[in-house]
Amino acid sequence: EPEVTQTPSHQVTQMGQEVILRCVPISNHLYFYWYRQILGQKVEFLVSFYNNEISEKSEIFDDQFSVERPDGSNFTLKIRSTKLEDSAMYFCASKGQPNSYEQYFGPGTRLTVT
Amino acid sequence: KNQVEQSPQSLIILEGKNCTLQCNYTVSPFSNLRWYKQDTGRGPVSLTIMTFSENTKSNGRYTATLDADTKQSSLHITASQLSDSASYICVVSGTGQNFVFGPGTRLSVLP
Repeated sequence: EPEVTQTPSHQVTQMGQEVILRCVPISNHLYFYWYRQILGQKVEFLVSFYNNEISEKSEIFDDQFSVERPDGSNFTLKIRSTKLEDSAMYFCASKGQPNSYEQYFGPGTRLTVT
Repeated sequence: KNQVEQSPQSLIILEGKNCTLQCNYTVSPFSNLRWYKQDTGRGPVSLTIMTFSENTKSNGRYTATLDADTKQSSLHITASQLSDSASYICVVSGTGQNFVFGPGTRLSVLP
């Protein structure tokens, strides 16, 4: 069964460094999402992406965040200058059809900022 | 303010027993409501999706109900198994990509 994959599973970085989290959505999906979950808290929507551009973003997704689909398979989330409070699980999700509500989540990347 | 609340916060039941988890929301306008199961350290996995016109939907031992008038949903788990131990998250969507996640109910199934 097709699935969303994410790499790395765990990323440790120092405050102020740039990180890139990678996702490979399900191959025929067209809609892509990033979410984060701070330890012990609820999942929060960051951004949605369709047709090579951001379709919606939350208040959390400020100028230090960016997303990109550099090729036909990868979908990346870049954090330019990490802060301690960026430590969280970051989940990528994808969706196939515009009229489908079903999103498929990846296993997540645990980001630890020290 | 769009919010999703869930109760109880945590629940412990014995294997084989049934349980019901609750979700109340204030998201408006309403598009759909989803229940996800999230194992510790993993991504959420979809259990059910309901739109405004659907009152109930089943997926194996999971049955979700929706009352769009009172803005309430429930997830009923029948004949619980040890593998049902997880967090169950209610997600309500409004217009566009307005996804609002609930805090989840942590379910522990004991032998």
